[in-house]
Amino acid sequence: NAGVTQTPKFRILKIGQSMTLQCTQDMNHNYMYWYRQDPGMGLKLIYYSVGAGITDKGEVPNGYNVSRSTTEDFPLRLELAAPSQTSVYFCASSYNRALNTEAFFGQGTRLTVV
Amino acid sequence: KNEVEQSPQNLTAQEGEFITINCSYSVGISALHWLQQHPGGGIVSLFMLSSGKKKHGRLIATINIQEKHSSLHITASHPRDSAVYICAVRTQGGSEKLVFGKGTKLTVNP
Repeated sequence: NAGVTQTPKFRILKIGQSMTLQCTQDMNHNYMYWYRQDPGMGLKLIYYSVGAGITDKGEVPNGYNVSRSTTEDFPLRLELAAPSQTSVYFCASSYNRALNTEAFFGQGTRLTVV
Repeated sequence: KNEVEQSPQNLTAQEGEFITINCSYSVGISALHWLQQHPGGGIVSLFMLSSGKKKHGRLIATINIQEKHSSLHITASHPRDSAVYICAVRTQGGSEKLVFGKGTKLTVNP
């Protein structure tokens, strides 16, 4: 199984540019998440989705947007990139939060905004 | 004070040593996760537990709900165990929030 696949692995953006981080999972998981990891800090939740068509904000949603048109895909959009968005981004999925099932993570996307 | 505190922040060991990484939390939880992040960044889930103890090969995770504390033990450590180990808790109350510790960087020297 591929699990959770994120693309790209690395990207450099100029201030004000936009981009979409792609995330797809092949495990038929309902729950999907986007986190950012800053140096010396724990992962912070940006957005999450409990199923197709449903998304909600996490702790640090400003500057980002998401959509969940299918169970498999959960892209993260940066509309106007800012240096503060330089970070490593992780997508994750799990089958069912209520059952406290295991979370599966993608390999991460290292984004630098200059 | 962070809701999830890990200790130590950095740990260097010699191959073969027994290793313990600690996680304390200050909130009510429904589950606790131990994750491993290798150089190069990928994160892998090691354990999810809500009580007692779990074992996977050389790795053992324990949790004491009353004391709000969990430990991750590695027996017969090996250089390939070198990674950052992250503790995360799912808070009670229906929240989607996983609160992450800052991680413990483990280096095992041959």
